[in-house]
Amino acid sequence: GESVGLHLPTLSVQEGDNSIINCAYSNSASDYFIWYKQESGKGPQFIIDIRSNMDKRQGQRVTVLLNKTVKHLSLQIAATQPGDSAVYFCAEKGGGSNYKLTFGKGTLLTVNP
Amino acid sequence: EAGVTQSPTHLIKTRGQQATLRCSPISGHTSVYWYQQALGLGLQFLLWYDEGEERNRGNFPPRFSGRQFPNYSSELNVNALELEDSALYLCASSLGSGSTDTQYFGPGTRLTVL
Repeated sequence: GESVGLHLPTLSVQEGDNSIINCAYSNSASDYFIWYKQESGKGPQFIIDIRSNMDKRQGQRVTVLLNKTVKHLSLQIAATQPGDSAVYFCAEKGGGSNYKLTFGKGTLLTVNP
Repeated sequence: EAGVTQSPTHLIKTRGQQATLRCSPISGHTSVYWYQQALGLGLQFLLWYDEGEERNRGNFPPRFSGRQFPNYSSELNVNALELEDSALYLCASSLGSGSTDTQYFGPGTRLTVL
């Protein structure tokens, strides 16, 4: 299968700090990328997306950066809050497989009050 | 606007039984996707339905099947259940099937096979 990883990377930050979550994607032909947030017992929630013709996109408190040269995606969360605690997944789409998302392993973000 | 809904929330079955999981997409969405999220394996693509047809499937055996109804809701059936089928089954929908059509997920159905 295409899923990866048994060990979830973790990031622990203090409330109010900025968080940066990184993701390496696999397919250089992918043309659309999405960040999802998954809280315990819930389905993935859409946060922000970016197309391959962009290198940066900003939302409310979140910024996604795309570096196609090294196939790297990052999610920056400003002024992290306890409600941001969750597992964050990057997903890629396209490159001949437009119908499905290929997910990264996820990063567990813990925000300490 | 209502999001993707799934039922049941939890489902407990025994080995060899069949499970049926249901999904209602966001109003106006025609594509429905099923993913399996098993512990330690991440999210894996299972099936894609669009306009009532199965368009593609992931690397899962034929005992995983489903269908999409005229109202675009979908059903996932898992026959001859095995212990390793225990997982969170997630349904997602999108407006279309283009490369930049965002998939929105439901809360999932937690299937436990005993």
